[in-house]
Amino acid sequence: EPEVTQTPSHQVTQMGQEVILRCVPISNHLYFYWYRQILGQKVEFLVSFYNNEISEKSEIFDDQFSVERPDGSNFTLKIRSTKLEDSAMYFCASSDPGAREAFFGQGTRLTVV
Amino acid sequence: RKEVEQDPGPFNVPEGATVAFNCTYSNSASQSFFWYRQDCRKEPKLLMSVYSSGNEDGRFTAQLNRASQYISLLIRDSKLSDSATYLCVAPPGNTPLVFGKGTRLSVIA
Repeated sequence: EPEVTQTPSHQVTQMGQEVILRCVPISNHLYFYWYRQILGQKVEFLVSFYNNEISEKSEIFDDQFSVERPDGSNFTLKIRSTKLEDSAMYFCASSDPGAREAFFGQGTRLTVV
Repeated sequence: RKEVEQDPGPFNVPEGATVAFNCTYSNSASQSFFWYRQDCRKEPKLLMSVYSSGNEDGRFTAQLNRASQYISLLIRDSKLSDSATYLCVAPPGNTPLVFGKGTRLSVIA
């Protein structure tokens, strides 16, 4: 069964450092998303990406964040200068344009120290 | 934006019980409805999609009431493994899925 894969599963970084979280969406999907979940809170939408550009973003997705699809398979989220409050689980998801369901990867747990 | 409202629970039910969750949605333009389940520290997993009046999959039944703008999820013969947080989603149009806090279910032996 096709699935969304994310790497790494856990990343620890120092405050102020840049991190790149990686995702390989399901191969025939065309919509890609990043969500985050701070421990004990709800899953929050960050950004959606379609046709090589951002289609929608939330107020959380400020100038510190960027997304990229550097090749035909990877989808990345970059945080330029991490803050302690960026510590969270980051989920990548993808969906087929013919359906609205999104399928999630297992997440990357980011810990900023 | 708050698209859905759910009772956060927790619902504590014995094994074998039937439990139902309701979810009200705010935007009458929503055409697609989903129930996801999320285990602690795991990703949301799609449980059911609801495109018409309802859907049934084994012990799980989802029903849609467009007039009252709510979706329900019924779980029959609850198992310990059903313990999770259940999230309903009702995206209007082509907007990305927006999750609420969901409803916590604990099935007790």
